[in-house]
Amino acid sequence: GAVVSQHPSRVICKSGTSVKIECRSLDFQATTMFWYRQFPKQSLMLMATSNEGSKATYEQGVEKDKFLINHASLTLSTLTVTSAHPEDSSFYICSASGVIGPATSTDTQYFGPGTRLTVL
Amino acid sequence: AQKVTQAQTEISVVEKEDVTLDCVYETRDTTYYLFWYKQPPSGELVFLIRRNSFDEQNEISGRYSWNFQKSTSSFNFTITASQVVDSAVYFCALSGVFSGGYNKLIFGAGTRLAVHP
Repeated sequence: GAVVSQHPSRVICKSGTSVKIECRSLDFQATTMFWYRQFPKQSLMLMATSNEGSKATYEQGVEKDKFLINHASLTLSTLTVTSAHPEDSSFYICSASGVIGPATSTDTQYFGPGTRLTVL
Repeated sequence: AQKVTQAQTEISVVEKEDVTLDCVYETRDTTYYLFWYKQPPSGELVFLIRRNSFDEQNEISGRYSWNFQKSTSSFNFTITASQVVDSAVYFCALSGVFSGGYNKLIFGAGTRLAVHP
């Protein structure tokens, strides 16, 4: 249980284009989803928190117009990197928390496999 | 301040050795949660354990064990008889009201464990 998928796993795009990354909870309802960014050999940096049906809450320093987050259903959140530039190249990871089977556990985050974005 | 410190940046051991990964935390919360995650080279973070602040019992799961000491604000992780497949980056994390909510994680910097045959 508590499986989170991410698609695509890798994407290469040209500078100036937009890229959409999907995050899905496969076997539970994700009331909250999180988007992280990870630079090589560093820890995870939280970008934003999204609750189903409401606007995402962005961390300080994260441009909301640059990184568009949508959490339209209890199983899907998307991150769109708009007008991508080489400095946006990174490893993006989503996580989800929510109702996991009969024993509710809303405070454990389960992570997706990540998406490696390369902007040329 | 809410903070997680993993002082060991990298650890290198030979297979079958026991290894302990340290985690020290700071929090203003009286109720909080502590976590360990494993990030293998593939990149996906794998949930290992969650411990709440009122449960100081040590936990053992196969070759993995965790020692929670509230008095020293530590939540250390020991791998017994390490294997090459244990090679990964291990993150300790904290959540609580002062972290922004119980489902918001404060991560340590991670400890990179290399297990050599």
